[in-house]
Amino acid sequence: NAGVMQNPRHLVRRRGQEARLRCSPMKGHSHVYWYRQLPEEGLKFMVYLQKENIIDESGMPKERFSAEFPKEGPSILRIQQVVRGDSAAYFCASSPAQGGVAEAFFGQGTRLTVV
Amino acid sequence: GQQLNQSPQSMFIQEGEDVSMNCTSSSIFNTWLWYKQEPGEGPVLLIALYKAGELTSNGRLTAQFGITRKDSFLNISASIPSDVGIYFCAGQLNTGGFKTIFGAGTRLFVKA
Repeated sequence: NAGVMQNPRHLVRRRGQEARLRCSPMKGHSHVYWYRQLPEEGLKFMVYLQKENIIDESGMPKERFSAEFPKEGPSILRIQQVVRGDSAAYFCASSPAQGGVAEAFFGQGTRLTVV
Repeated sequence: GQQLNQSPQSMFIQEGEDVSMNCTSSSIFNTWLWYKQEPGEGPVLLIALYKAGELTSNGRLTAQFGITRKDSFLNISASIPSDVGIYFCAGQLNTGGFKTIFGAGTRLFVKA
């Protein structure tokens, strides 16, 4: 039973490029949460999605960031025109229902480096 | 916004010692969570606390939900080298909620 799969594990982008981070939830899970972790800090909530719906994106920066969770396929976190400050580890977690993060399992993260 | 103050920031201990770390907040939380994160991995839930005053154990780990609902502590007894990692506390305003506030973490180093 595969866990939450995130890819790529490491991503290097030049300033101004786009970054696409993918998250495949655990089998049977329909809720996905994205978090960002800056070095030496805890995780910060970004967005909560269900299949085809964004439930809460109050933690997402207003510009350049978007997320989706289509009916088929993984959830995607997209960062357009990346800047150095976007360098961080991005984690997704999935849960079978709205049990919140306490019921969720985290993936291994994607470490984005903007050069 | 809500913030969690987690202390200490780091701990260097000898194998076999007991460890204690805590989190405090100016806000009331209805759920407290404790996670461990190892290098290159995502956080793994250790203990979830749902009730003020609750004391819960998971092996050598014990955590308590403070009576005021504004604090929590995690104890690790008889530490071993594989306890090395970053321990995060996290609070939820609503049980089952998704907006979880994380502390900055306690980095634990264990010397064999």
